[in-house]
Amino acid sequence: NAGVMQNPRHLVRRRGQEARLRCSPMKGHSHVYWYRQLPEEGLKFMVYLQKENIIDESGMPKERFSAEFPKEGPSILRIQQVVRGDSAAYFCASSPLQGSMNTEAFFGQGTRLTVV
Amino acid sequence: AQSVTQLGSHVSVSEGALVLLRCNYSSSVPPYLFWYVQYPNQGLQLLLKYTSAATLVKGINGFEAEFKKSETSFHLTKPSAHMSDAAEYFCAVSDGNQGGKLIFGQGTELSVKP
Repeated sequence: NAGVMQNPRHLVRRRGQEARLRCSPMKGHSHVYWYRQLPEEGLKFMVYLQKENIIDESGMPKERFSAEFPKEGPSILRIQQVVRGDSAAYFCASSPLQGSMNTEAFFGQGTRLTVV
Repeated sequence: AQSVTQLGSHVSVSEGALVLLRCNYSSSVPPYLFWYVQYPNQGLQLLLKYTSAATLVKGINGFEAEFKKSETSFHLTKPSAHMSDAAEYFCAVSDGNQGGKLIFGQGTELSVKP
């Protein structure tokens, strides 16, 4: 059973370009979470999605950031018009159950975005 | 609202010495608590989790943590450090009823000296 797959592992974008980060959850998992880790900081929750639904986007910046989890295919975190401050590691996690506080979330290897 | 505080951003121990990484939490509901380890340029791996079944939780790689409600603490320990334990360690609390939505501490970088 493959783990959570994120690609690309490393992404370099120039200021003003778009960044697309992909996450394929573990088989059988229908809940996806995106986190951002800025240098020297812990992970900060961004958004929680189920198939075709955004459940909680309280951690998403109001502008330029969007996320989706279509019925088919991976979850996508999209950052438009990137700025240097977007440089960070973006982690995706998946879990099989909703409403269960002790459910373990499995993390991917992350995508390290560098904006130059 | 839930929150987590990790005391000490850097901890250094000698190989074979006790490892103690501190975590205090704040939660308006009975908490579910987690410790994750992150090796350089890698994702997070779950070490152990507290789900109210037992206050002393044993995890992988010889780590354990004790939930102390009176102290609102969930410190991570290992009796004898190995060089391979050098990594970043994160304490986290589950936020509300969304299992995968976690509130993380700032992290503690563990260094192990030979």
